[in-house]
Amino acid sequence: KAGVTQTPRYLIKTRGQQVTLSCSPISGHRSVSWYQQTPGQGLQFLFEYFSETQRNKGNFPGRFSGRQFSNSRSEMNVSTLELGDSALYLCASSPPVAGGTDTQYFGPGTRLTVL
Amino acid sequence: KQEVTQIPAALSVPEGENLVLNCSFTDSAIYNLQWFRQDPGKGLTSLLLIQSSQREQTSGRLNASLDKSSGRSTLYIAASQPGDSATYLCAVTDYNTDKLIFGTGTRLQVFP
Repeated sequence: KAGVTQTPRYLIKTRGQQVTLSCSPISGHRSVSWYQQTPGQGLQFLFEYFSETQRNKGNFPGRFSGRQFSNSRSEMNVSTLELGDSALYLCASSPPVAGGTDTQYFGPGTRLTVL
Repeated sequence: KQEVTQIPAALSVPEGENLVLNCSFTDSAIYNLQWFRQDPGKGLTSLLLIQSSQREQTSGRLNASLDKSSGRSTLYIAASQPGDSATYLCAVTDYNTDKLIFGTGTRLQVFP
């Protein structure tokens, strides 16, 4: 089975721009979660989508949004970029198990740099 | 609010040593605890997952234990190798929020 794929792998943007990141989960996985990783804050949960619905959300401003398509692929969007948005954005998928008890499989991440 | 702490933050050891990495969490209401490995600039690889009802899991040279009541987990690495050099992250799936909460990691370097 192919793993979780994320595109693009690297991205450079300037303040004020917006960006869209894409994640394709492992085939058969319906849950997709997004995380932000920075040296200062570590790994922080952004949101989770399941069957095209946002199931959970972290403590990030409304500039961060996401969606999931019927084929379980997911995108996240960050509008009005700030320097502090520079981070590694990781996507993870997990099999359809209730209660969050299964392993999450992570993609390689998208490295976003905001200048 | 669930918080996860990992000690030590960094560790440098010679090849062949047995290692113990520590993880503690503040709220025992968890579904499970996972240990991940992250190589520089890369994504995370799941190493071991311990359900809340379990005490330990083993995979090869790795053994992870869980003491839910005291909010602690340890990852034991036997006979360390240079290829084990990476950052090791502990994470709990919080029962109350359904979120995966990560620790800040232990950066391990194993030198020949």
